[in-house]
Amino acid sequence: GAVVSQHPSWVICKSGTSVKIECRSLDFQATTMFWYRQFPKQSLMLMATSNEGSKATYEQGVEKDKFLINHASLTLSTLTVTSAHPEDSSFYICSASRQGGNTEAFFGQGTRLTVV
Amino acid sequence: AQSVTQLGSHVSVSEGALVLLRCNYSSSVPPYLFWYVQYPNQGLQLLLKYTSAATLVKGINGFEAEFKKSETSFHLTKPSAHMSDAAEYFCAVTSFGGFQKLVFGTGTRLLVSP
Repeated sequence: GAVVSQHPSWVICKSGTSVKIECRSLDFQATTMFWYRQFPKQSLMLMATSNEGSKATYEQGVEKDKFLINHASLTLSTLTVTSAHPEDSSFYICSASRQGGNTEAFFGQGTRLTVV
Repeated sequence: AQSVTQLGSHVSVSEGALVLLRCNYSSSVPPYLFWYVQYPNQGLQLLLKYTSAATLVKGINGFEAEFKKSETSFHLTKPSAHMSDAAEYFCAVTSFGGFQKLVFGTGTRLLVSP
C-alpha cells in the first residue's frame, strides 16, 4: 500500500512559539491531503482539506490564521501551528489521496504536539 | 450533520472468539461508511468500506461489516480473534463519496487475551 509519513512523531514546544508538521506521500503523488486533530478519548476531527497548488479549505471553527496549511508539491503538505498555546496540545494526523479524495486516503502515523 | 457512535471504548475477547465492534451512524442522506484500524505508533489503515453496493462488506484480515439501514448500524465482525487483531478501531461516515470529509467515531480498543 501507499505510504504517508509525518514528521516529527512528537514535539514539545514553548507557549508562543510556532511548530511545523510535515506530511509526505513517499511513493505516490497526492493531489489532496487532509489534516485531522484528535483530542484524548475523542474522535478525529477534520481540520482542513488541501489541494496541491491551491489554498486549503478549513472546516467551520478552525482558525486558518492559527493553523497554516501549505501544499506546495504533490508529495508534501505542512501544517504550522502559530503562536501555540497549551490548548493546542493534541494529536495531529494527515492523510493523502491521489485523486481529490475520490480514491483511498492513506494516513500518516500522527504527530503528538505538547505545548508547555 | 453526520455522526457515528461507537459503543464501548474497550472490548475484550479471548483468542479464537468472535469479535463484534459496534458502530451506529446518523445521516440525513445515504451514507458511505468505513472501518479503520490503528496499530500503536502507526497511521490508520482502511479495513473496509460500504459505498451503497452490497450490504455485507468483506475487508482485509478476515473482517467484515454489514450495513443495516433499518438499524442505522455498521457493526464490524470477525469470526475468530487473533492476537494480532489487538488495536484501535475507528468507524467513519461521509456523504460526499470517496474519502472526503470523513467523520470519525471515538474509537474502540480491542484487547485479545490468550
